[in-house]
Amino acid sequence: AQSVTQLGSHVSVSEGALVLLRCNYSSSVPPYLFWYVQYPNQGLQLLLKYTSAATLVKGINGFEAEFKKSETSFHLTKPSAHMSDAAEYFCAVSDVGSGNTGKLIFGQGTTLQVKP
Amino acid sequence: GAGVSQSPRYKVAKRGQDVALRCDPISGHVSLFWYQQALGQGPEFLTYFQNEAQLDKSGLPSDRFFAERPEGSVSTLKIQRTQQEDSAVYLCASFFRGGSGANVLTFGAGSRLTVL
Repeated sequence: AQSVTQLGSHVSVSEGALVLLRCNYSSSVPPYLFWYVQYPNQGLQLLLKYTSAATLVKGINGFEAEFKKSETSFHLTKPSAHMSDAAEYFCAVSDVGSGNTGKLIFGQGTTLQVKP
Repeated sequence: GAGVSQSPRYKVAKRGQDVALRCDPISGHVSLFWYQQALGQGPEFLTYFQNEAQLDKSGLPSDRFFAERPEGSVSTLKIQRTQQEDSAVYLCASFFRGGSGANVLTFGAGSRLTVL
């Protein structure tokens, strides 16, 4: 069965510092991978997706993620944190076994705190 | 509409009451999904529609949960005889095509259900 593990439920960084949010997945076949952000009382917004093209994926708001098959990882990074980046971040993998790429398996989420 | 619209945004129900949650997807979107997000957790898949057909309901937690999309646009998630463990945010999402391919879900803001 596929699964997603996000290491660290809370990450705190200073404004301007590097953001690194970790995500590891398990899948028997090459998956589609996603990072979503959720602001309070709002729905999930797509940051970026990996769909077996380039392994380094650039997303919105300066975020990027690198697909590393050997490590089964898809960590999210941003070189310089901004106060507006404070939110909940979710890594997700598509359930390729079902043939339905909208059926996602989400990690538990990581709360990013940005300190001034 | 421009986005996925959900109503009500907040619902408080007494244990044992029935509730109905509405989702109005983006116009023309074929695929519609319901997810359940418990407090502090990532969303979990409930059910999937392609047009009016419910193709996957494997995530519905019990037979108290029922979803429909009779005309292939608006969908309703109904929970009968609500229990406290049903308290969660219910997210609706849609995308234009069918289930295959690297589709990207657009999420609504969710309906927060609190069962007392």
